[in-house]
Amino acid sequence: DQQVKQNSPSLSVQEGRISILNCDYTNSMFDYFLWYKKYPAEGPTFLISISSIKDKNEDGRFTVFLNKSAKHLSLHIVPSQPGDSAVYFCAASGGDSWGKLQFGAGTQVVVTP
Amino acid sequence: GAVVSQHPSWVICKSGTSVKIECRSLDFQATTMFWYRQFPKQSLMLMATSNEGSKATYEQGVEKDKFLINHASLTLSTLTVTSAHPEDSSFYICSARDGTSGETQYFGPGTRLLVL
Repeated sequence: DQQVKQNSPSLSVQEGRISILNCDYTNSMFDYFLWYKKYPAEGPTFLISISSIKDKNEDGRFTVFLNKSAKHLSLHIVPSQPGDSAVYFCAASGGDSWGKLQFGAGTQVVVTP
Repeated sequence: GAVVSQHPSWVICKSGTSVKIECRSLDFQATTMFWYRQFPKQSLMLMATSNEGSKATYEQGVEKDKFLINHASLTLSTLTVTSAHPEDSSFYICSARDGTSGETQYFGPGTRLLVL
């Protein structure tokens, strides 16, 4: 059963605009959330994380928002750059999955000139 | 910081042979390492979790006798695919956690395995 869901398989955004990636989860015991970026034939690169005690975390162009009541988190990338074109994975841990990461299916982002 | 390497980056082997993949944490001590596999256009699937000096914990459906994991030191874990078959062809990725960054895992670059 998929506990972390990324319902948008792809996203196209113009360079300079905002990219918004969404992620939903079903396990209310999750208390730590991460976003990874992945290029083809490479391992995922850690981008940003957020603990359940916060609702926002910002690092440069990347901001993650957490809405615990809705079991929803999002990643904002502003401004989007061509090098941001990649697959983005949302991951979560906590509860029964303490110590492990449950990954979403990923969202392919394409940044167009 | 938090660099994880994998070797080899790709390997082609004949059916029935065994393949060993190494995962190293280069600038930190990894108390826990993880092995994942990824099929094309799919998410990462956790295969097993290994803690230094103890037996690996395998996820449901992963054959521990086929995928041998050794975590002999705080900087090295190995995954051996024994008697590889074409259906084992996949992208294998390791990750490591240093115990000081919460649940954040740092991933290696992956190893592409093709079994002929």
